[in-house]
Amino acid sequence: SQKIEQNSEALNIQEGKTATLTCNYTNYSPAYLQWYRQDPGRGPVFLLLIRENEKEKRKERLKVTFDTTLKQSLFHITASQPADSATYLCALPNTGGFKTIFGAGTRLFVKA
Amino acid sequence: GAGVSQSPSNKVTEKGKDVELRCDPISGHTALYWYRQSLGQGLEFLIYFQGNSAPDKSGLPSDRFSAERTGGSVSTLTIQRTQQEDSAVYLCASSLGSSGGSSYNEQFFGPGTRLTVL
Repeated sequence: SQKIEQNSEALNIQEGKTATLTCNYTNYSPAYLQWYRQDPGRGPVFLLLIRENEKEKRKERLKVTFDTTLKQSLFHITASQPADSATYLCALPNTGGFKTIFGAGTRLFVKA
Repeated sequence: GAGVSQSPSNKVTEKGKDVELRCDPISGHTALYWYRQSLGQGLEFLIYFQGNSAPDKSGLPSDRFSAERTGGSVSTLTIQRTQQEDSAVYLCASSLGSSGGSSYNEQFFGPGTRLTVL
């Protein structure tokens, strides 16, 4: 069955450093992959979408890579700030593309 | 409205009672999704609507759960005979559409309804 794995352990980094979060998936080949941010008590907020034919996507301090051979996406936040502290979720369409499957998310803490 | 709205924001009910949760998507969004999120857990897909029809109900946990969408807009998720394990945050999202590979799949989430079953 289709499975998405994100590091369940929280990531603690110092302000100004680059945070790197990992999303691995198995048993299918998605046409695209999305990253969302979720703050406590709120719904997820869309950040970036990367298609299978794109190796890398950037948006301000965010960078996403998509390696369809490794079945992995990396999500980078450069020059991290305490305000970046949140849970980051990766999401992929299921086979057929009508449903989105979310990973459990990785909690990021950026210390000042 | 400007975003997805959900009501109520909080609902406390007694075991065995029925509850209705409402979602008002962004105007013009044809796709609507319901998810459930338990404390500290990821999002669990419940059901997806394209227009008024639900081509994928595979995530509904039991026959106590049902959902409908009328006029291609507002959706209601109904839980009958609630159980304590139904306690969670129920999130609704909408998107422009749902075709594979398209950025139309960017989902906009509401703030959720926190359901507590005593």
